[in-house]
This record gives sequence, structure tokens and C-alpha cells, in this order.
Amino acid sequence: DTEVTQTPKHLVMGMTNKKSLKCEQHMGHRAMYWYKQKAKKPPELMFVYSYEKLSINESVPSRFSPECPNSSLLNLHLHALQPEDSALYLCASSQDRALGQGSSYEQYFGPGTRLTVT
Amino acid sequence: AQSVTQLGSHVSVSEGALVLLRCNYSSSVPPYLFWYVQYPNQGLQLLLKYTSAATLVKGINGFEAEFKKSETSFHLTKPSAHMSDAAEYFCAVSDSSASKIIFGSGTRLSIRP
Repeated sequence: DTEVTQTPKHLVMGMTNKKSLKCEQHMGHRAMYWYKQKAKKPPELMFVYSYEKLSINESVPSRFSPECPNSSLLNLHLHALQPEDSALYLCASSQDRALGQGSSYEQYFGPGTRLTVT
Repeated sequence: AQSVTQLGSHVSVSEGALVLLRCNYSSSVPPYLFWYVQYPNQGLQLLLKYTSAATLVKGINGFEAEFKKSETSFHLTKPSAHMSDAAEYFCAVSDSSASKIIFGSGTRLSIRP
């Protein structure tokens, strides 16, 4: 099973709302990622979790707050977003990728959440 | 620093024709290279990967890619295009010391009937 699931599929929220995106994988992967993708652009890395600890934050604004409750789940909490945050948010997972150690394991992506901020 | 360059933001071929999508990489260490495909309103799906085991890599859906160190290239090919191949294709690079993948800008493949 190489499936990564994401919910919801679509989300519309106002600038004052608080919402959360959810991601789940059951492949035993210990690294999980959040990406943001704008139309006609490649995915942009936002966060990396390795063994449930945040290992990379690509200078993402604090209105995006990631959380990794366990090795299978990854959340992205959203608060006070701006219209320019509207995008496709992709979750991915891979086998362990401890910083500074070997192996370039491929990442498996979920279908994404299409977020619209009004 | 690692990077990939995809030549051609849009490629159009006739159904049944050869598909060739170009990717050149830059890396100071032996790279790991990937091709991903993204269909409209979907996530990315791994087509194939190069990890130094073999220079000619076969992937899903009849695609293959050849690693050429002398040319720093990893072009994606398919002998005969199908309408279902229409999608966005991303080349990506990583290495054994990195904890992230760097994506190219993408190439949109269109198939003409």
C-alpha cells in the first residue's frame, strides 16, 4: 500500500477562520512533509517532520502551524490566512530521512487539499 | 547547491509519437533523480527514480529515463504517446546528505489526436 490520504479535498475559509488539514499514511514511513503548490508551479516545501519531530521549517509564516501527533498522522493548522495562501496543499511521506544521514528515499504524495481563502 | 532545469515548459506531441521531456541537473555529489507526474487536480505520482544502480531506468506507464553523467542529463522518454499521458511532469533531484527534494519548474505534456 503506497497511499497517502488527505482531508478535506476542498476547503473554503475566511481570513478570520481557523481550520486544519489532515494527512495520514500507513506505510511505516518516518518522514512526512507539507508542500504548497500554486497553479502551474512546482510544489514548494513548507515543513518536514522526521520521527515526529519538526526538522525543517522553510521560513513559513506562523499562520501555518504543523503538528505530528504520531508517526502516521500529520496536521496543518491554519489561522488568519490571506487570499494569497489559496493553493493546493500536498502532504507526502518517505522512509526515514534523518538530517545528515544517507538514503534518498522517494516521496509518496497525497491527492492534496484545494484551499481557497476568501 | 543542487538544482534541476527542465527545458520546455510545454511539449506537444501526436498520439503514437515519441515523447521526450528534457531534464538537466546540477549536483556536486552523486545525485538521486526522480520523475513525477501530476494529472489535473491530483497529487504527484512517482514515475521512476535513479539511484546509481543502473543508468537506464524503467518506470510505470511505459516511461523510461537514462542517466548521462557526461551530459548531466536525465531525460524522460516514452516510445508511443497515449492521450492519457497528458499531464504535468516534474524532474527532481536529491542526494544522500539532503533531507529534501528539489523540483524542476515542470513540463506540461499535451497529446494531439
